Amino acid sequence: DTGVSQDPRHKITKRGQNVTFRCDPISEHNRLYWYRQTLGQGPEFLTYFQNEAQLEKSRLLSDRFSAERPKGSFSTLEIQRTEQGDSAMYLCASSPWPGAYEQYFGPGTRLTVT
Amino acid sequence: EDKVVQSPLSLVVHEGDTVTLNCSYEVTNFRSLLWYKQEKKAPTFLFMLTSSGIEKKSGRLSSILDKKELSSILNITATQTGDSAIYLCAVEQRPGGSRLTFGEGTQLTVNP
Repeated sequence: DTGVSQDPRHKITKRGQNVTFRCDPISEHNRLYWYRQTLGQGPEFLTYFQNEAQLEKSRLLSDRFSAERPKGSFSTLEIQRTEQGDSAMYLCASSPWPGAYEQYFGPGTRLTVT
Repeated sequence: EDKVVQSPLSLVVHEGDTVTLNCSYEVTNFRSLLWYKQEKKAPTFLFMLTSSGIEKKSGRLSSILDKKELSSILNITATQTGDSAIYLCAVEQRPGGSRLTFGEGTQLTVNP
């Protein structure tokens, strides 16, 4: 499968714990995006990378959230001191750049904070 | 603040019906509008529209952008139960390749 992959697919954690998610983009895509989606809402932008450079972070992204893409390939999203409000589906997408810029999404990581 | 509004929020039809889903937007430096289909998983890409008045078509699905009215429609003809999904509209700003702003989505249910 050459699509975007994410790991884990599901994560249940207790409030206050740290969690880390991984995203592997389509291999030739140099832009990588993170979104969060809650029930009944469309995805909400969190941050994106061009290779290893983080180009934009949403102002909604609190300092408990950090994302990295150290070698310009896979990316990790870490949430520290999780809160119940962090429960959501975390989606990763990738796109070629330059190009037509269509973003292709991975299957998501569903986070439940108890 | 950038905004994307979809209507209706939900729609129930019978197989064979034709449906029209609406998307309107208010964003600065508009570049393109994208449609995605989301079943019980990640959104899958349908169309990207950058030019006004040019219809994009894929099988029974088609979409058109109206830059003057800041809107787009997604048409599905001869609906099938497999078309049941959430249809998401998203807008991208210039210079391109940056974040997408999504609407809430339209939940389409096609009954046999």
